[in-house]
Amino acid sequence: EAGVAQSPRYKIIEKRQSVAFWCNPISGHATLYWYQQILGQGPKLLIQFQNNGVVDDSQLPKDRFSAERLKGVDSTLKIQPAKLEDSAVYLCASSFNRGDTQYFGPGTRLTVL
Amino acid sequence: AQKITQTQPGMFVQEKEAVTLDCTYDTSDPSYGLFWYKQPSSGEMIFLIYQGSYDQQNATEGRYSLNFQKARKSANLVISASQLGDSAMYFCAMRAQRNYQLIWGAGTKLIIKP
Repeated sequence: EAGVAQSPRYKIIEKRQSVAFWCNPISGHATLYWYQQILGQGPKLLIQFQNNGVVDDSQLPKDRFSAERLKGVDSTLKIQPAKLEDSAVYLCASSFNRGDTQYFGPGTRLTVL
Repeated sequence: AQKITQTQPGMFVQEKEAVTLDCTYDTSDPSYGLFWYKQPSSGEMIFLIYQGSYDQQNATEGRYSLNFQKARKSANLVISASQLGDSAMYFCAMRAQRNYQLIWGAGTKLIIKP
């Protein structure tokens, strides 16, 4: 069974530029999560989807971050414009349903200069 | 408030020895779940083991076991016969009953010495 796929693996951008990350969850998983992980900390949930609907986006900085999950499968997370403090690893995870074990992708390491 | 505490920022262990990583939790929910994840330097978060609050027996998965002491609110991860490839960050997380989201600890960096 294929795991969670993410791309790109690494991205370096200048501040004020935009960037997008892509995630393909495990087939059949209804719940998809985007996390931000600052170096040395545990992951912080940005947004959670159930199929193609948003369950929780309370910690998503909506003035610059946006996310969508078209057709309840793939998802894209966008940052526009990026700030220095957005430098982090962005992890995508999926679970069969809410509350089930979350399986993570390899992450995207973002550096904002 | 719900919280996960991992008191060991870092640990050094000799190869082939057993290692215990500490995790204590705080919750008033009657039902919850506890998870351990491994994060190597490559960055991927790898699921290791799960314990439900109503499970009578401690969870085991290969070389990993979870020492669940409900009264003490602890869920320590035990790795038997450590290997060099076990060197990584280890995170303990708790699933909140209210919204099913994971509450994460700060992690423990484990280094296995040859």
